[in-house]
Amino acid sequence: NAGVTQTPKFQVLKTGQSMTLQCAQDMNHEYMSWYRQDPGMGLRLIHYSVGAGITDQGEVPNGYNVSRSTTEDFPLRLLSAAPSQTSVYFCASSYRRSTNEKLFFGSGTQLSVL
Amino acid sequence: GEDVEQSLFLSVREGDSSVINCTYTDSSSTYLYWYKQEPGAGLQLLTYIFSNMDMKQDQRLTVLLNKKDKHLSLRIADTQTGDSAIYFCAESNNTDKLIFGTGTRLQVFP
Repeated sequence: NAGVTQTPKFQVLKTGQSMTLQCAQDMNHEYMSWYRQDPGMGLRLIHYSVGAGITDQGEVPNGYNVSRSTTEDFPLRLLSAAPSQTSVYFCASSYRRSTNEKLFFGSGTQLSVL
Repeated sequence: GEDVEQSLFLSVREGDSSVINCTYTDSSSTYLYWYKQEPGAGLQLLTYIFSNMDMKQDQRLTVLLNKKDKHLSLRIADTQTGDSAIYFCAESNNTDKLIFGTGTRLQVFP
């Protein structure tokens, strides 16, 4: 069972570079989301999607874009990386976004922006 | 807006009980969750409690909810070294968003 797969696991970028963090799930989940984890701040929601073709902003969306062209994939794009985007990024999914649905997390992408 | 607060660190001796505390501000929270994050891994759901309950027990885990004080706690009985991890409290209020706390790093020493 693959679950939620994130790639890459580690990435170093220079300021101004762009890149895409990949997230894929094989559980036919409707709901997918991206969080960033920073020391002392817990997890903060960046963007989320309740189904293919539908995305919405979370708490900290600035500097990030997402799209959901298929149920399985939910890539996160950094258009022009900044040092403030140095963080650990987690993708999470659930069958649907009702309040008692368990979120399944990927293993994370550690991003450093120099 | 919604806010979830936790203390950052907790250190306990193996075999003792651990109590991790969480406070939240959203009075309309319907579900409250505890997630565990082991080193280098994503989060895993440990347990959750519906807001009309005040206690839930699952093997070594006991969740207590004081809705009046907006206080949630997770008690781990007979704490083991394998329980060393970061524990996140989270709340949801029937929206599409799950709000996480800052996480409590639990260290278990022999």
